[in-house]
Amino acid sequence: GEDVEQSLFLSVREGDSSVINCTYTDSSSTYLYWYKQEPGAGLQLLTYIFSNMDMKQDQRLTVLLNKKDKHLSLRIADTQTGDSAIYFCAYDRGSTLGRLYFGRGTQLTVWP
Amino acid sequence: EAGVAQSPRYKIIEKRQSVAFWCNPISGHATLYWYQQILGQGPKLLIQFQNNGVVDDSQLPKDRFSAERLKGVDSTLKIQPAKLEDSAVYLCASRGGGEQYFGPGTRLTVT
Repeated sequence: GEDVEQSLFLSVREGDSSVINCTYTDSSSTYLYWYKQEPGAGLQLLTYIFSNMDMKQDQRLTVLLNKKDKHLSLRIADTQTGDSAIYFCAYDRGSTLGRLYFGRGTQLTVWP
Repeated sequence: EAGVAQSPRYKIIEKRQSVAFWCNPISGHATLYWYQQILGQGPKLLIQFQNNGVVDDSQLPKDRFSAERLKGVDSTLKIQPAKLEDSAVYLCASRGGGEQYFGPGTRLTVT
């Protein structure tokens, strides 16, 4: 199937860490992505992970992948008010043409 | 490098009217996508082009939606006639270097 599930809302205090979770059902997923969408803007790719990896770190972002449980998470360290946005989990099936399957998004609100 | 351009940014029409959206992808990107994002949901693919050929239009409601990509560059997406449930943001994306780049989208409201 193509289902991607995410919790809809997350609130954190500025300076804390945020963890956004995602579960998916498609075992043919190859690359998994995290996109950020700010109000009125398109989607911005934050980071991605190949399905044979279990962790990727990129500055304040850490992606963890549990392929057995089909669970993906994004940790944002030292969360700032500018990180407030909707975060989408997505995957593709490895085709060179790269159609993406998205979750519904998690609204992250960062309180000062 | 210029990003993906879309116009108009906003459009309000009445049901049964027609509307067209335009997308200019990043120069040199052969693959172009149109996604529909209904409020509160993630984007869903409507149609995918490789150069000027259609690769996947399985999710496109072909009785009312059409899209073309003449000359393998710009693309237009048309809805005729529009329904209330077509209210959404229409996102165009192009692919290069293994990454999809998204435009800002066109927000369509059908009243």
